[in-house]
Amino acid sequence: LAKTTQPISMDSYEGQEVNITCSHNNIATNDYITWYQQFPSQGPRFIIQGYKTKVTNEVASLFIPADRKSSTLSLPRVSLSDTAVYYCLVGNQAGTALIFGKGTTLSVSS
Amino acid sequence: DGGITQSPKYLFRKEGQNVTLSCEQNLNHDAMYWYRQDPGQGLRLIYYSQIVNDFQKGDIAEGYSVSREKKESFPLTVTSAQKNPTAFYLCAAGDRVAEKLLFGSGTQLSVL
Repeated sequence: LAKTTQPISMDSYEGQEVNITCSHNNIATNDYITWYQQFPSQGPRFIIQGYKTKVTNEVASLFIPADRKSSTLSLPRVSLSDTAVYYCLVGNQAGTALIFGKGTTLSVSS
Repeated sequence: DGGITQSPKYLFRKEGQNVTLSCEQNLNHDAMYWYRQDPGQGLRLIYYSQIVNDFQKGDIAEGYSVSREKKESFPLTVTSAQKNPTAFYLCAAGDRVAEKLLFGSGTQLSVL
């Protein structure tokens, strides 16, 4: 099982771009990388998923280098409502053991 | 609306009592999961199930039990053997292609 390592916390200001990096050195060939956002007392919410290179959706971008041993979640122009815990998850198929890391607490200030 | 329904939202357990947390999904997903979250901590895997009538232990299965008699239901029982059950419990379901998990709103379990 690929273990993930993320910074414990990050601080930012409104309107800035935030990049959160996740290390997953023993990622398997068929593993995907998925990022989730969690607010207090709620379940995590899917943000973005990728396998290689770059993926972009309406809320974030995900950058994955060629060796796939790390990934970077990019949040453009954050707002106060982006204050949350962000988790990266590595795995290849639902139904297998999906182990979350400790997550990164992002605090956005005005 | 497809989703995951967890109930109750809050649950209190007396010492020596077993309690059961409900998780229902109408997504037609095969895989279902139970996670435990302690204050300020990440999610820890308790049990997971890939298909009906089959389930596997996660990292912290001791003191918990599950069943998967129907595809849409994956109840979690917190037994009296779990000495520190106070936590936020999250249920999730996923499709088989990749792990885009959809989570329920959680159950907060406390000990009286």
